[in-house]
Amino acid sequence: DAGVIQSPRHEVTEMGQEVTLRCKPISGHNSLFWYRQTMMRGLELLIYFNNNVPIDDSGMPEDRFSAKMPNASFSTLKIQPSEPRDSAVYFCASSLEDRVETQYFGPGTRLLVL
Amino acid sequence: RKEVEQDPGPFNVPEGATVAFNCTYSNSASQSFFWYRQDCRKEPKLLMSVYSSGNEDGRFTAQLNRASQYISLLIRDSKLSDSATYLCAVHTGTASKLTFGTGTRLQVTL
Repeated sequence: DAGVIQSPRHEVTEMGQEVTLRCKPISGHNSLFWYRQTMMRGLELLIYFNNNVPIDDSGMPEDRFSAKMPNASFSTLKIQPSEPRDSAVYFCASSLEDRVETQYFGPGTRLLVL
Repeated sequence: RKEVEQDPGPFNVPEGATVAFNCTYSNSASQSFFWYRQDCRKEPKLLMSVYSSGNEDGRFTAQLNRASQYISLLIRDSKLSDSATYLCAVHTGTASKLTFGTGTRLQVTL
């Protein structure tokens, strides 16, 4: 079975540009999570969805970040405008609701904002 | 105080050594606990769940101490291939989300 799919795998952009990260969860999983990982702060949860509905976005750093899940098989995380401090690895993960031990991560998107 | 804390390491150990990591959590209501392994430039992958009674999987043993609010991971007879970062994760509440520690880096050497 295919795991969590993320695209792009790498993104290099200039400050001020819009960045869109994409995620396809594992089929049948109804919870989806967006994380950001940096050396300084580790793995931080940005937002998560249950059944396509955002449940907790308290980890979203500021208004420049937005996330959507228009259907059960697709989610986006958008940064507009991007800043150098947004440089990080962004992971998407999915799980069965109420089954946290089933949480699987995608390969991540390495973002570098110059 | 962070919700989940780990010693970042690195832990440098020779092959065959036994090494242990601890992870402390602040919320006494936390319900489930996990260890993840993350290889360099890869995603975290579930290594094992941590049960109240402790659990063992080959060379790996995980334990939970609710009174002192920490979990531990013991690796016996360490191999070069065990070199990675080990993240602990804690589940609190009814939601599906996990809170991760910053990870402990292990380097096993010849």
